[in-house]
Amino acid sequence: SQTIHQWPATLVQPVGSPLSLECTVEGTSNPNLYWYRQAAGRGLQLLFYSVGIGQISSEVPQNLSASRPQDRQFILSSKKLLLSDSGFYLCAWIPGLNRNTGELFFGEGSRLTVL
Amino acid sequence: AQSVTQLGSHVSVSEGALVLLRCNYSSSVPPYLFWYVQYPNQGLQLLLKYTSAATLVKGINGFEAEFKKSETSFHLTKPSAHMSDAAEYFCAVTRAGANSKLTFGKGITLSVRP
Repeated sequence: SQTIHQWPATLVQPVGSPLSLECTVEGTSNPNLYWYRQAAGRGLQLLFYSVGIGQISSEVPQNLSASRPQDRQFILSSKKLLLSDSGFYLCAWIPGLNRNTGELFFGEGSRLTVL
Repeated sequence: AQSVTQLGSHVSVSEGALVLLRCNYSSSVPPYLFWYVQYPNQGLQLLLKYTSAATLVKGINGFEAEFKKSETSFHLTKPSAHMSDAAEYFCAVTRAGANSKLTFGKGITLSVRP
């Protein structure tokens, strides 16, 4: 079966510290992968998406970066966190065979609090 | 460019009452439309989707939505609300084609009163 794993689930970090959130999918190959951020009352903001290994598209300029070192692994990083980076981060994917449907499947999310 | 408008941020209904969550979209090409539900501290789960087949779409948990091109709407309804329906609901739009991106509305929080 196809599943998505996202970790850590909860993270509290001081301002200026680094960040690494990881997402992996199983049971599929060559998926499209996405990172969204959800801030209170602001809906979901697409941060990055990837259509293949090493291929990253950034939607908005910010303090974050993304990498896709393996086909089914997507990592969200920061070298120095800002208070404004706090939020709920969601990894999502579309199976390779379903690219035309636009239907996203979501992970359980990672809640980041920057203090 | 595509966009979705979900008017209001909060809807409250009584248990057993009709649920109506509104969604209007903007798209220069035929859209694909989705409703997702999110329970507290969880990811999003697909409720239903419209991809140019039947305009009345039935989803999980008794929800349905009707695509109305003339009104550019895709409102979500459920005849009788249940306490377990309390959650946040997101409408989203994309277009057909490989690597298209989903654009979400701001979401609506549904509360269900006993």
